[in-house]
Parts: sequence; structure tokens; C-alpha cells
Amino acid sequence: AQSVTQLGSHVSVSEGALVLLRCNYSSSVPPYLFWYVQYPNQGLQLLLKYTSAATLVKGINGFEAEFKKSETSFHLTKPSAHMSDAAEYFCAVSYTGGFKTIFGAGTRLFVKA
Amino acid sequence: NAGVTQTPKFQVLKTGQSMTLQCAQDMNHEYMSWYRQDPGMGLRLIHYSVGAGITDQGEVPNGYNVSRSTTEDFPLRLLSAAPSQTSVYFCASSSLEWDSGANVLTFGAGSRLTVL
Repeated sequence: AQSVTQLGSHVSVSEGALVLLRCNYSSSVPPYLFWYVQYPNQGLQLLLKYTSAATLVKGINGFEAEFKKSETSFHLTKPSAHMSDAAEYFCAVSYTGGFKTIFGAGTRLFVKA
Repeated sequence: NAGVTQTPKFQVLKTGQSMTLQCAQDMNHEYMSWYRQDPGMGLRLIHYSVGAGITDQGEVPNGYNVSRSTTEDFPLRLLSAAPSQTSVYFCASSSLEWDSGANVLTFGAGSRLTVL
């Protein structure tokens, strides 16, 4: 069965600092991995996805994530935080040929001026 | 292109009342699903459908019914609302990407339900 664990329900960084949001997954088959972002009072939108084409994946707004099979991790990073990055971020997993997508509990990112 | 449309955006119910959350998509997606979002628990899958006439249960299906009579619509029914169903509900749709096979979800804006 697939599952996702996000370490840290809240992360606070200063503007301009590195953003690191952690995600570990469990999957018995090769996974597809996703990061979605939810801005206040909105639905979720795709930030980036891993589909086995490349282990380092670049997404929108300067975010990227690296798939590490040995660590079963898919951590999200951004070199320099901006105030507009304040949102909730969700890591998710699905599997080859499957439609079901399982989400982690989410990490709320706060950016301090 | 409207994407995924959910109605209503807000609803207050009394315990025991019934209601239907509507979801419609105009992207001809095969797959549709309902999630509920609760603080600290992320999004939990309630029900999903892989095509018209086909539905299946997700992680938290109790207290909810769904049907998929058309590709476009996937309503979620609460037959007898309970306070534990107070939540924000999201509908999503998708098709498998032709090049990668990944299932990228398009979400509606959400429906906030309060059960008193």
C-alpha cells in the first residue's frame, strides 16, 4: 500500500532563506510523486511531479525536488523564499497505471519578512 | 475553460439533514474523485470513479454516496449529516498523461461544510 509522510506540520523561514519541506513515501511498486500547493482559500494546484524521467525535478515558482530511491524521499526545496510562497504544501503518491492518489498531511510554510 | 466546478462553496446543515455536493468538469477526464480536508490530516480520499458507471471507495467512505452517470458529473451525497462530516471537500479530475502515465489532478475550489 502507498503512503506519504511529511515531516513537520509547520515550517517557518525568513524571506531569502532556503526552503526545505520533507516528504518520505512508501510504495511497493515504482511510484509517481507529486507536490501540490494550496494558497489560502483556494484549491490545490500542481507544483511539480516525478515520473521517472529525471530524479531532479523542477517546478513552478523556482521550486525543485529530488527523488532518492535509497532514502524513499522526495523533498521539496527552493533556494530563496519569497513572501508569496506562504501556503500549504502537500506531497502525494500514485502508482503506474493507477488513478488513486494518496496525500500526506501537509506542511504549512510561513515566510517572515 | 472552466475546469472543475464545485457547488455550493459554503453550506451549513443540521445533524440528520441530507445534501448533495455537486462537481462538474469540462475536460473530458476519465477519473474523478472526492477528498475531504481536515486540519493536520491532509486530504483523505472518500470515493473515486474511473469512468461513467464505475465508482469505488477510498479511505473514508462511510456516510457518503456517489454515482457517475456521465463523464462530466460526480456528485457526493450525504444522506444523514453528522458533526464529524464538518470539513472542506474537494473534487478533482484527471486523465493519465499520455507521455508519462502520471495522474495529475485538477482540483475544484472546494466546498466548506458545517454540520451543527
